[in-house]
Amino acid sequence: EAAVTQSPRNKVTVTGGNVTLSCRQTNSHNYMYWYRQDTGHGLRLIHYSYGAGNLQIGDVPDGYKATRTTQEDFFLLLELASPSQTSLYFCASSVQRSGNTLYFGEGSRLIVV
Amino acid sequence: GEQVEQRPPHLSVREGDSAVITCTYTDPNSYYFFWYKQEPGASLQLLMKVFSSTEINEGQGFTVLLNKKDKRLSLNLTAAHPGDSAAYFCAAVNYGNEKITFGAGTKLTIKP
Repeated sequence: EAAVTQSPRNKVTVTGGNVTLSCRQTNSHNYMYWYRQDTGHGLRLIHYSYGAGNLQIGDVPDGYKATRTTQEDFFLLLELASPSQTSLYFCASSVQRSGNTLYFGEGSRLIVV
Repeated sequence: GEQVEQRPPHLSVREGDSAVITCTYTDPNSYYFFWYKQEPGASLQLLMKVFSSTEINEGQGFTVLLNKKDKRLSLNLTAAHPGDSAAYFCAAVNYGNEKITFGAGTKLTIKP
């Protein structure tokens, strides 16, 4: 079974702060994703990657950077956090992009005060 | 782009009753559909998936119906039990750009 691990699970930061969310998957999946989950919006794609060194822009990328350092590791960076980025963030992975099951991590709850 | 409307946002039924969650989508190029379940405080896990056709999939007490003509996807629970209390999300995959669009979710509560 796919394993996707996120850290930290909970984070509080101040406006303008710098935050890095980490994600590791251990099933050799090609694709990794960062989503944010907000009430009334479901999951919205921030960035995704199909391999080490690759980065693709999602639907809500403003204010976020991401980096895929290895096949296993995908990071989401908020360099100047704003209250609008308070959300529940999920990392996911899949073998291929289309028609493939997404395997989600446990989520990282970020609060920007 | 694709828009997926999921209804209702909240649903409460008694144990043993049936429940229906519906998603309507706009893009006829959506060809693959998923239902994910998110238990309280947990991550999303695949419940069921259905490919592009009028198709019925069954499993775990749920039935998924896909009607491409009406661009409607439904998740039907025939006899609810407490373990079904969760949030449910539909998702549609676009054939052209492989984009996945999620519905806003339905929080299902099963009352004893």
